[in-house]
Amino acid sequence: DAGVTQSPTHLIKTRGQQVTLRCSPKSGHDTVSWYQQALGQGPQFIFQYYEEEERQRGNFPDRFSGHQFPNYSSELNVNALLLGDSALYLCASSYTGGEGYTFGSGTRLTVV
Amino acid sequence: QKEVEQNSGPLSVPEGAIASLNCTYSDRVSQSFFWYRQYSGKSPELIMSIYSNGDKEDGRFTAQLNKASQYVSLLIRDSQPSDSATYLCAVTGEYGNKLVFGAGTILRVKS
Repeated sequence: DAGVTQSPTHLIKTRGQQVTLRCSPKSGHDTVSWYQQALGQGPQFIFQYYEEEERQRGNFPDRFSGHQFPNYSSELNVNALLLGDSALYLCASSYTGGEGYTFGSGTRLTVV
Repeated sequence: QKEVEQNSGPLSVPEGAIASLNCTYSDRVSQSFFWYRQYSGKSPELIMSIYSNGDKEDGRFTAQLNKASQYVSLLIRDSQPSDSATYLCAVTGEYGNKLVFGAGTILRVKS
């Protein structure tokens, strides 16, 4: 049973560029959430997708956008990258009414 | 005031001892409470969840919840060097089920 898969695992981008990160949820899960984790900090909630719609959003600028596809997979897009966007980006999936979240292994984004 | 607060540590305990990790939260309507373990460079791994006041035990782990005091803790019995990691406390609120994390407590178990 595949868990949550994220791609790519590592990425280096230049300031001002755009990036797309991808996530496939655990089998049976219908909800995908994205988190940003800076070094030495806890994960910060970016947004959550359910039934292809953004259900909740954290305190992140509009440069951060996302999408959920009919197969429940999801993308996180970040435009106009800043140095401060360098972090581990985590995707977590769950199912409505379920217990807890399952995290993917993350994408390490470095902006130079 | 941060929504979820944890002592950053590091908390150092000898092998075989009990490690006690603490977390306080500010939102009184928080519904669900989780403890995640995160090894360096890895993603968080769910180790315990608790929803009602009292204790919940799972193997060497015991989670304790006191909603009146807005306090949740994790006890690790017979600590092993492999338990050395960052432990993240997370809560979900009344509206939606986003996880709000603390900054984590670094635990070091010395053999």
